[in-house]
Amino acid sequence: SQTIHQWPATLVQPVGSPLSLECTVEGTSNPNLYWYRQAAGRGLQLLFYSVGIGQISSEVPQNLSASRPQDRQFILSSKKLLLSDSGFYLCAWSGGVGYEQYFGPGTRLTVT
Amino acid sequence: AQTVTQSQPEMSVQEAETVTLSCTYDTSENNYYLFWYKQPPSRQMILVIRQEAYKQQNATENRFSVNFQKAAKSFSLKISDSQLGDTAMYFCAFMKHVNNNDMRFGAGTRLTVKP
Repeated sequence: SQTIHQWPATLVQPVGSPLSLECTVEGTSNPNLYWYRQAAGRGLQLLFYSVGIGQISSEVPQNLSASRPQDRQFILSSKKLLLSDSGFYLCAWSGGVGYEQYFGPGTRLTVT
Repeated sequence: AQTVTQSQPEMSVQEAETVTLSCTYDTSENNYYLFWYKQPPSRQMILVIRQEAYKQQNATENRFSVNFQKAAKSFSLKISDSQLGDTAMYFCAFMKHVNNNDMRFGAGTRLTVKP
């Protein structure tokens, strides 16, 4: 069966520091991968998605970036965090067109 | 652009009772998918149920069922025999048939099941 992992689970970082969140998927090949951000008490905002290695599409302009160095690995990064980057970050995967998305456990990021 | 509206920010229900969560959406597409996701206090997003727009029959998963009204662009979730473990945020989501990289979520409904 497929599983999706995210780490770290929680992270507290000062403003201006770098960020690296990692997501990996097991049990499937060539998945579509997604990064979402969820503000407190709100719905999900799609940040990035990827349909293959090295292929990244950005949905919103921001100081975050994403990379997909391997088929089942998706990384969310920032060179300098802002206070507004605080939130709950969710990684998800899907099997292709028409397939629902399955989510990882999430990372709670607090920028101080 | 597609939008998803959940008009009930919070709801509560007594254990063993039935509750219905509302969702409406706006789209010009004819083929699409609709989903309900559950997010318990652990924050893990869990798929509850899925509906293909081309299917007239309402989807059902155990105690969870939907009332899909395509013409009205309505997609409500009914939870029967509510259990304490159903306490969670529930998100309605829309996805176009030809582009599953664009899943739109509603703002969510916080459901509390009371003992």
